[in-house]
Amino acid sequence: GQQVMQIPQYQHVQEGEDFTTYCNSSTTLSNIQWYKQRPGGHPVFLIQLVKSGEVKKQKRLTFQFGEAKKNSSLHITATQTTDVGTYFCAGSNAGNMLTFGGGTRLMVKP
Amino acid sequence: DTAVSQTPKYLVTQMGNDKSIKCEQNLGHDTMYWYKQDSKKFLKIMFSYNNKELIINETVPNRFSPKSPDKAHLNLHINSLELGDSAVYFCASSKGLAEILDGELFFGEGSRLTVL
Repeated sequence: GQQVMQIPQYQHVQEGEDFTTYCNSSTTLSNIQWYKQRPGGHPVFLIQLVKSGEVKKQKRLTFQFGEAKKNSSLHITATQTTDVGTYFCAGSNAGNMLTFGGGTRLMVKP
Repeated sequence: DTAVSQTPKYLVTQMGNDKSIKCEQNLGHDTMYWYKQDSKKFLKIMFSYNNKELIINETVPNRFSPKSPDKAHLNLHINSLELGDSAVYFCASSKGLAEILDGELFFGEGSRLTVL
């Protein structure tokens, strides 16, 4: 079945450093979504990417969808303590369900 | 005002008991889901309902039985609870199915189940 892998599992950064998490799928995806879960909270939708090679920005967050639509990345510029949480990618292909990656837990030292 | 609400938030119970978790969404969405999040934070889909009909049923023990009385509600009943059932259970809803453009999931706040 469809598998979505995410690396790294954990990342500690100093406040102000950049952070990137990578997502790879075993199959071609029709779309990919990103979610953020704060400690003790629930996953909250950040963005959806649909087109091959698509790049979207939300303030300090940059999301990319690979040309082959099998991988994606989330890059945060100049992390802040409010960025702390677990970032999940979730991919789906037509006729299949949304499969979540294992998540990357981001810790930011002030 | 909460878009997706689930109750209870916390549930501590003994092995062998039966328990239910309720979920309601007021977003007018057609599709609802149950996800299980284990201690390692893996989010695994358990069930999905579209317009009250079961469309996804992952490899979940048949001790778990979802029930959707209407589009706005999806409840989860668990029989004969086991230690391994301890997890956070999230209900979610989406306008359509996840593979179409309106597939964004709205999650409830979660129900933390602890089986002793």
